[in-house]
Amino acid sequence: AQSVTQLGSHVSVSEGALVLLRCNYSSSVPPYLFWYVQYPNQGLQLLLKYTTGATLVKGINGFEAEFKKSETSFHLTKPSAHMSDAAEYFCAVTGSGYALNFGKGTSLLVTP
Amino acid sequence: GAGVSQTPSNKVTEKGKYVELRCDPISGHTALYWYRQSLGQGPEFLIYFQGTGAADDSGLPNDRFFAVRPEGSVSTLKIQRTERGDSAVYLCASSLNGQSNSPLHFGNGTRLTVT
Repeated sequence: AQSVTQLGSHVSVSEGALVLLRCNYSSSVPPYLFWYVQYPNQGLQLLLKYTTGATLVKGINGFEAEFKKSETSFHLTKPSAHMSDAAEYFCAVTGSGYALNFGKGTSLLVTP
Repeated sequence: GAGVSQTPSNKVTEKGKYVELRCDPISGHTALYWYRQSLGQGPEFLIYFQGTGAADDSGLPNDRFFAVRPEGSVSTLKIQRTERGDSAVYLCASSLNGQSNSPLHFGNGTRLTVT
């Protein structure tokens, strides 16, 4: 079975500061890893995904994440936060099964 | 193009009543998923369809929950004898072919409130 743990249910950063949202996974098979973003009253939107190949993946809105097998991590980063980045972020993993297993989410607050 | 559409966007019902939630996936997507998201939690898998058949219904919490996809497109999630604990946002998603590396496209969800 696959699962993810997101460290920090709430993260606050200043506008222009680095964004770092942490995700660690557990998987008995090579994982496929995803980050989704959810704005208020909206559905989840895919930010980026790792399947195979390059371990540093770039997504939309300037976000990127690095798959580190040795650390079982897939942390999400963005060099400079914008006010519009305030949202709920979910890390998810799948492997041998069909279902995506989501973490509990991290709420990102961006302050002026 | 059109995304995943879910109706209604909000549903309020009384305890013990029956409800149906509808999902219209992206045209051409063979895989369809239902998730449930409770307040402060991540989405929780309920059921997965490949075409018309439920390939994995291991996430359905009990036999009050049932879902169908008779023509391989629109799906309906049905909840019998609703309980207050069923209150949540029910999310539908579709993907092109259901493979593990195929991203899910989510609808905006149906917020179910059981009073």
